Amino acid sequence: SQQGEEDPQALSIQEGENATMNCSYKTSINNLQWYRQNSGRGLVHLILIRSNEREKHSGRLRVTLDTSKKSSSLLITASRAADTASYFCATDASLSGANSKLTFGKGITLSVRP
Amino acid sequence: ETGVTQTPRHLVMGMTNKKSLKCEQHLGHNAMYWYKQSAKKPLELMFVYNFKEQTENNSVPSRFSPECPNSSHLFLHLHTLQPEDSALYLCASSQSTGPNTEAFFGQGTRLTVV
Repeated sequence: SQQGEEDPQALSIQEGENATMNCSYKTSINNLQWYRQNSGRGLVHLILIRSNEREKHSGRLRVTLDTSKKSSSLLITASRAADTASYFCATDASLSGANSKLTFGKGITLSVRP
Repeated sequence: ETGVTQTPRHLVMGMTNKKSLKCEQHLGHNAMYWYKQSAKKPLELMFVYNFKEQTENNSVPSRFSPECPNSSHLFLHLHTLQPEDSALYLCASSQSTGPNTEAFFGQGTRLTVV
């Protein structure tokens, strides 16, 4: 399976601290994406990093991608209580023809204590 | 609001009932998806539609029957479900099924089979 596997499964930090979440995968990818899900709601796209990129920033988010190690990390700086959610990595890999498939991991539960 | 609307938000149905989930996207996307999210498991892709045509069925039992009348609407018809089918059902859309596109999710339908 080429699905992303997130690590750790759960993370609890104090408001203001940084949160680092990791994702590993098994096969070649076009890109890797991170999504956020608040309890019982849909997933919201956070950031996409292509296979030829190594680092990307979006506000308080920093994503890295190491294709040699088949791993990615998501860093949330200066965390806030509102960042409490589940975070998923998803790998986008090519299928036959022009199609690709997005495969999600189990997610990381982040709790930010006020 | 992501531009993808799912109804109903919650559904309780008996094992002999027939019900339908509805998804509508206002983003002009060409691809639509059904996912199943169960606790402690990765998001499971069920069906993919591209330009109204089904392009993927991930070995989903026939008690789940999708319908895509046009690129903006997607239904999931349910009949004779089992209690293990209880889950959050998420609809998503994307510009295409090609690489490097992000998915936009609806809020989901929380289904409970009794």
